Amino acid sequence: NAGVTQTPKFRVLKTGQSMTLLCAQDMNHEYMYWYRQDPGMGLRLIHYSVGEGTTAKGEVPDGYNVSRLKKQNFLLGLESAAPSQTSVYFCASSYKPTGPNEQFFGPGTRLTVL
Amino acid sequence: AQSVTQLGSHVSVSEGALVLLRCNYSSSVPPYLFWYVQYPNQGLQLLLKYTTGATLVKGINGFEAEFKKSETSFHLTKPSAHMSDAAEYFCAVNSGGSNYKLTFGKGTLLTVNP
Repeated sequence: NAGVTQTPKFRVLKTGQSMTLLCAQDMNHEYMYWYRQDPGMGLRLIHYSVGEGTTAKGEVPDGYNVSRLKKQNFLLGLESAAPSQTSVYFCASSYKPTGPNEQFFGPGTRLTVL
Repeated sequence: AQSVTQLGSHVSVSEGALVLLRCNYSSSVPPYLFWYVQYPNQGLQLLLKYTTGATLVKGINGFEAEFKKSETSFHLTKPSAHMSDAAEYFCAVNSGGSNYKLTFGKGTLLTVNP
């Protein structure tokens, strides 16, 4: 099993450009998450999904949109990138969010917005 | 509400010395607690987790953590540091129930000196 994969690994954008980050998991997990990681800030939840066709806002959703058209995929979109969105983005998935079912993380996408 | 505080953003030890990374949590209900490790340019990997029962939890790579309810702590230890332990470590809490959210601390960077 590949686990959680993310595409692309690196990307450089200019301010105002758009892009989509793709997350895929092959563990049949119901729940998927997008985080951003910034120095000294830990991981902050952007959006999450509790199942196919559902999405919800996390702590820092502004400037991002998501879609979960298929159970195994979770897309994160930036419609008009800003330098403040320079970050490392991690996708995660879990079987269910309750109890000790830990989240499994992808390798990350390093995004720079100039 | 749940929160996590990791004391010390950077810990430096000598190879062979004791590793102690501190984590205190806040939760209104009995928590589930996790330690994740992040090696350079990689995603997060689960080290260990506390659910219920035995308060001393053993994880991978010789790490262990002890849940102390009275102190609201879940400190991570390893008796003898290896160079390969150099990484960033994150403590996280989930308050169970139907709470989707895994709240992370801001991380502690462990440096191991030869």
